[in-house]
Amino acid sequence: KQEVTQIPAALSVPEGENLVLNCSFTDSAIYNLQWFRQDPGKGLTSLLLIQSSQREQTSGRLNASLDKSSGRSTLYIAASQPGDSATYLCAVRHTGNQFYFGTGTSLTVIP
Amino acid sequence: SAVISQKPSRDICQRGTSLTIQCQVDSQVTMMFWYRQQPGQSLTLIATANQGSEATYESGFVIDKFPISRPNLTFSTLTVSNMSPEDSSIYLCSVEDRKGAETQYFGPGTRLLVL
Repeated sequence: KQEVTQIPAALSVPEGENLVLNCSFTDSAIYNLQWFRQDPGKGLTSLLLIQSSQREQTSGRLNASLDKSSGRSTLYIAASQPGDSATYLCAVRHTGNQFYFGTGTSLTVIP
Repeated sequence: SAVISQKPSRDICQRGTSLTIQCQVDSQVTMMFWYRQQPGQSLTLIATANQGSEATYESGFVIDKFPISRPNLTFSTLTVSNMSPEDSSIYLCSVEDRKGAETQYFGPGTRLLVL
C-alpha cells in the first residue's frame, strides 16, 4: 500500500526566507502528484499538480518538483510571506482513483 | 476551476443519530469524492460518487454507515449514520477537473462533533 510522508511536520521561518517542503512516497507507480494548502478550519486549495511524466511545475513563487524514481517531491516557496502560513499537503494518485495524502507540514512565516 | 459548497459547515450531534452532508458544485462534473479528515490526521478517501451508479467505497468504509447519493452531475450527499464520537471529523467533498490536468478541487468541509 502506498505511504506518503511529509517532513518536517512543522516549520517556522522568518518572512522573506526561501524554503523547501518535502514529500516522499513508497510506490513510484503514480499517475500524478498534487500539492495543496489547508488553512485552519478550511478545505484544501490546489497549488500545483505534476503529471507522472513531468519533472516540475511552477506557479508564481511556488515551484514543485517530482522525482518519481526516487519517490520524492519538493515544494519550493520563494520569498515567504506571513500569508503563506498554512498546512501544506501532498497527495499522490494512482490509476483507478486511488488517492493517498501525506500528513502535512504546518508552516508558520514570522513577520 | 470548480467552486464547491458544503452544508452544513459544522454541526454537533448526539451519538446514535445521523447527519446528511450536502455538496454542491457550480459546474457539471463526472466524479465526486468524499473524504474524512480525523483530528490531527490527513485525508482518507471514503468513496467515489459517480452519477447514475452506486458509489464505490474504499476499504474500511461501508454503504450502511456512509450512504451516498448522486442524483445529478452537480450535487451529492453523504450521510454519516448511527454516529459515535469516533465519527468526529472534518468531511470534505472534492471534484476532479477532467478538462485539464485532472486537478482535484475541494469544498470547505463540514466539521462534525459527535457527543
